[in-house]
Amino acid sequence: GAGVSQTPSNKVTEKGKYVELRCDPISGHTALYWYRQSLGQGPEFLIYFQGTGAADDSGLPNDRFFAVRPEGSVSTLKIQRTERGDSAVYLCASSLGLDADTQYFGPGTRLTVL
Amino acid sequence: AQSVTQLDSQVPVFEEAPVELRCNYSSSVSVYLFWYVQYPNQGLQLLLKYLSGSTLVKGINGFEAEFNKSQTSFHLRKPSVHISDTAEYFCAVRNNAGNMLTFGGGTRLMVKP
Repeated sequence: GAGVSQTPSNKVTEKGKYVELRCDPISGHTALYWYRQSLGQGPEFLIYFQGTGAADDSGLPNDRFFAVRPEGSVSTLKIQRTERGDSAVYLCASSLGLDADTQYFGPGTRLTVL
Repeated sequence: AQSVTQLDSQVPVFEEAPVELRCNYSSSVSVYLFWYVQYPNQGLQLLLKYLSGSTLVKGINGFEAEFNKSQTSFHLRKPSVHISDTAEYFCAVRNNAGNMLTFGGGTRLMVKP
């Protein structure tokens, strides 16, 4: 079956602009995660959804970052007033939502803020 | 809080040689342990995971890892590497009280002919 998909694959924007990054999880997966991977580093957790609600948003760096999952499937990560330090690969993962379940990752969106 | 340390940022090795990629973690509670591989311009793919039971875990592509609780380590091994194993490898932990993964900084495995 289809894996996790993310769009766009690349996004270039200017400092101060607003961006939206989309994640389509594997069908039937109730848990959805966003991570951020800066150059040369491992992914860092941003936010986790169980169904439609954000179960843990402790990794969001500040209030410019926000994510939604209104129907419990597709999720959108929204970044306001982008800064150059936001440049990174944003990864989405999904899982069945059960304890210790495998998280399946999408290919990521590479965000570049000029 | 938990953290993961991958001691080697790069590991060069010749084809058909054995390899070990090191991973140490710290956590105040029990953890689940994972190794992911990332090929260029691709997403993370699960190699193997330790949840409980036997401390020696076998994964895909001939990789295995051993959980050592006393040394808080989860080193990844392969007895004979191939050129196609060239990739970035990430160790990750998840504690049994949460759902997010905490990743190490990654180890770039470079297999040379």
